Amino acid sequence: AQSVTQLDSHVSVSEGTPVLLRCNYSSSYSPSLFWYVQHPNKGLQLLLKYTSAATLVKGINGFEAEFKKSETSFHLTKPSAHMSDAAEYFCVAARGQNFVFGPGTRLSVLP
Amino acid sequence: SQTIHQWPATLVQPVGSPLSLECTVEGTSNPNLYWYRQAAGRGLQLLFYSVGIGQISSEVPQNLSASRPQDRQFILSSKKLLLSDSGFYLCAWSWQGNDEQYFGPGTRLTVT
Repeated sequence: AQSVTQLDSHVSVSEGTPVLLRCNYSSSYSPSLFWYVQHPNKGLQLLLKYTSAATLVKGINGFEAEFKKSETSFHLTKPSAHMSDAAEYFCVAARGQNFVFGPGTRLSVLP
Repeated sequence: SQTIHQWPATLVQPVGSPLSLECTVEGTSNPNLYWYRQAAGRGLQLLFYSVGIGQISSEVPQNLSASRPQDRQFILSSKKLLLSDSGFYLCAWSWQGNDEQYFGPGTRLTVT
């Protein structure tokens, strides 16, 4: 069975400062890992995907995530937060049609 | 390119009334289709998925049902809504054999 933990339910940063959203997964195999972003009352948009080709994955809007097998982590980072980054972020572990979502982290960006 | 549509965008229904939410995908054929529910302040819960016309798998027992009458059409239904059915319903699709899912804009359902 898979599970996904997002360690922070809410993260608040100032505009222009780095963003770190943490994700840990538990799985008996190496799953595909995703980060999705959801703006209020909108659908989910894929930010990036890890599939074992490279441990550092670059996504859209300046986000990237690093897969660390030893730590079973897939943390999302961005060097400089923008006001438009304020949203809910979901870490997902998947194998085939089995998609397991983390509980989400709400990112607030302060001016 | 592929696009996914959901309607209605918002819906307010009384308890005990029926429900029909529709999802359609354009620009691809034979997609896998999914229905998720997102309750307030909670993560996403997979309700149903389909790998082909008439093929529906249910993940959570409830008073909801799903149907796939056409290749790119996925419908979520209920005969009698409960208050607990309120939430944000998301449809998603993926290519066969690919685990990357693409989500629709969602339907906000409020049961009063």
